[in-house]
Amino acid sequence: ETGVTQTPRHLVMGMTNKKSLKCEQHLGHNAMYWYKQSAKKPLELMFVYSLEERVENNSVPSRFSPECPNSSHLFLHLHTLQPEDSALYLCASSQDPSSGGAEYNEQFFGPGTRLTVL
Amino acid sequence: GQSLEQPSEVTAVEGAIVQINCTYQTSGFYGLSWYQQHDGGAPTFLSYNGLDGLEETGRFSSFLSRSDSYGYLLLQELQMKDSASYFCAVEVHGTYKYIFGTGTRLKVLA
Repeated sequence: ETGVTQTPRHLVMGMTNKKSLKCEQHLGHNAMYWYKQSAKKPLELMFVYSLEERVENNSVPSRFSPECPNSSHLFLHLHTLQPEDSALYLCASSQDPSSGGAEYNEQFFGPGTRLTVL
Repeated sequence: GQSLEQPSEVTAVEGAIVQINCTYQTSGFYGLSWYQQHDGGAPTFLSYNGLDGLEETGRFSSFLSRSDSYGYLLLQELQMKDSASYFCAVEVHGTYKYIFGTGTRLKVLA
């Protein structure tokens, strides 16, 4: 496996379900990100982890809970979601951007998980 | 607030040149990136401007003017495969925060 992978690619869940999205990067990066992409809206940054520590939490409802057990893996735990949470959830990784230099600003995205909440 | 403005859609013919503009209003600007996303695909990085001026990468170039809070992506010798959405994104200085524009859908016609 190379690059950034995400599983599952598609997920349908009810509002009372609990599910988790998984992201894995094989690029040796030390920063990982969760984004939400809804139709006709910009990508919304949800969470950022650098060296397994959460460094950005963008006013995301508590029904979304991230976990970063190591620098290669990132999870997004979902519970009691709402229909408006239906979207494409994208994971990305990069070198730590605080290290400076243009090469640290490139984010590598996974294919995303298409989530539908019924 | 913090926002990035892009045209929603641009149409051009194969072989032409197209420019996609991005104006931003953010605090603590650090740099401007451009990403391409095909339907059903993941965004892929195209270019980054940390300083004013033009960056060229093959058929794609990107420009930044920090004093005007403005940048653009220039695509030359358009090909059908360039039909996609293009996003500008600002990295906010001193944070790990990236703010994306709403995207410009480019249609390349034969």
